Amino acid sequence: ETGVTQTPRHLVMGMTNKKSLKCEQHLGHNAMYWYKQSAKKPLELMFVYNFKEQTENNSVPSRFSPECPNSSHLFLHLHTLQPEDSALYLCASSQDRGRVHEQYFGPGTRLTVT
Amino acid sequence: GQQLNQSPQSMFIQEGEDVSMNCTSSSIFNTWLWYKQDPGEGPVLLIALYKAGELTSNGRLTAQFGITRKDSFLNISASIPSDVGIYFCAGRILSGYALNFGKGTSLLVTP
Repeated sequence: ETGVTQTPRHLVMGMTNKKSLKCEQHLGHNAMYWYKQSAKKPLELMFVYNFKEQTENNSVPSRFSPECPNSSHLFLHLHTLQPEDSALYLCASSQDRGRVHEQYFGPGTRLTVT
Repeated sequence: GQQLNQSPQSMFIQEGEDVSMNCTSSSIFNTWLWYKQDPGEGPVLLIALYKAGELTSNGRLTAQFGITRKDSFLNISASIPSDVGIYFCAGRILSGYALNFGKGTSLLVTP
């Protein structure tokens, strides 16, 4: 596997479910990002991790909980979501957060909350 | 974050035509980026611009960093069906660690 991979690619969950999204990068990068992409809206940065430390939380509701166990893996734990949380969730990575303009995106997880 | 205005919102053109789209901001950026997103995939970087006035090409794509540092445009020449997708601009301010994205331009190309 090369680049940035995300699993699952599609997820349907009820509002009371708990699920996790996984991102893995094989680029040797040290910064990883979670974005939310909704139709007709700009990409919204959710979280940034730099060398496994969270450096940014863009006022994201606590029902989204990130985890970065090492520089290659990033998780987004989901709990008690709302229908308006349905979106494409994109993971990205870059050499470090100073190289944010050189980030590579994964293919995304299409999340539907019912 | 800084708001980027990207236009047009969508374009429907014939194969072989040239395409132009642009992005403007109320703030000064020191980096402008253009991405393409195919259906079911993440955005892929097409062109990065680092200097005011810079004009950079990538095959049939040409992008420019505006002199005022508040705008950028992307041109696609002689479009082909595989150019179909959503094109995003993004900007980075001098001291920032985040990108600000436009809403995207959806491009449809008919054979």
